[in-house]
Amino acid sequence: EPEVTQTPSHQVTQMGQEVILRCVPISNHLYFYWYRQILGQKVEFLVSFYNNEISEKSEIFDDQFSVERPDGSNFTLKIRSTKLEDSAMYFCASSEIRVDNTEAFFGQGTRLTVV
Amino acid sequence: AQSVAQPEDQVNVAEGNPLTVKCTYSVSGNPYLFWYVQYPNRGLQFLLKYITGDNLVKGSYGFEAEFNKSQTSFHLKKPSALVSDSALYFCAVRDILGGNNDMRFGAGTRLTVKP
Repeated sequence: EPEVTQTPSHQVTQMGQEVILRCVPISNHLYFYWYRQILGQKVEFLVSFYNNEISEKSEIFDDQFSVERPDGSNFTLKIRSTKLEDSAMYFCASSEIRVDNTEAFFGQGTRLTVV
Repeated sequence: AQSVAQPEDQVNVAEGNPLTVKCTYSVSGNPYLFWYVQYPNRGLQFLLKYITGDNLVKGSYGFEAEFNKSQTSFHLKKPSALVSDSALYFCAVRDILGGNNDMRFGAGTRLTVKP
């Protein structure tokens, strides 16, 4: 069964450093997302991406964040200058855009720890 | 913008008893509703969805959910709970026809099933 894969599974970084979280969505999916979850709490929407541009973004997704699809398979989330409060589990997801098949499939997540 | 509310942070049931995890939603267009489950240290797993048609939808692991348009609810149910059902459950909504394709999650409900 196809799945969304995320690397690394755990990233530790110093405050102020840049991090790049990587995702490989399911190959025939066209919509990509990043969500984050702080300490097993609410899953918060960050951004959606379609047709090589941001489709929607939340108020959390400020200028410190960026997304990119550098090639035909990867989808990355970059945090330019990490803050302590960026520590969270980051989930990538992808979906088709057919109306009758709309659920998003999630990766296992990357646990980001900012120290 | 679409949103969901899960009014209970925690639900406790005894094994073998029926369980209900509540969810209400708010959308400007047509709701596409989802339930996801998260086991400890894991990503989000899709359980079931309502797109259109029968108000009662059946999903994985014996779960079902009932769409109620008048009450704007989509409660998750299972006739007989198992200890292994203990996990974090998230309700989510998409409003594709309203022009906003991203999926918004509720705060989550922690289900604990006791032997």
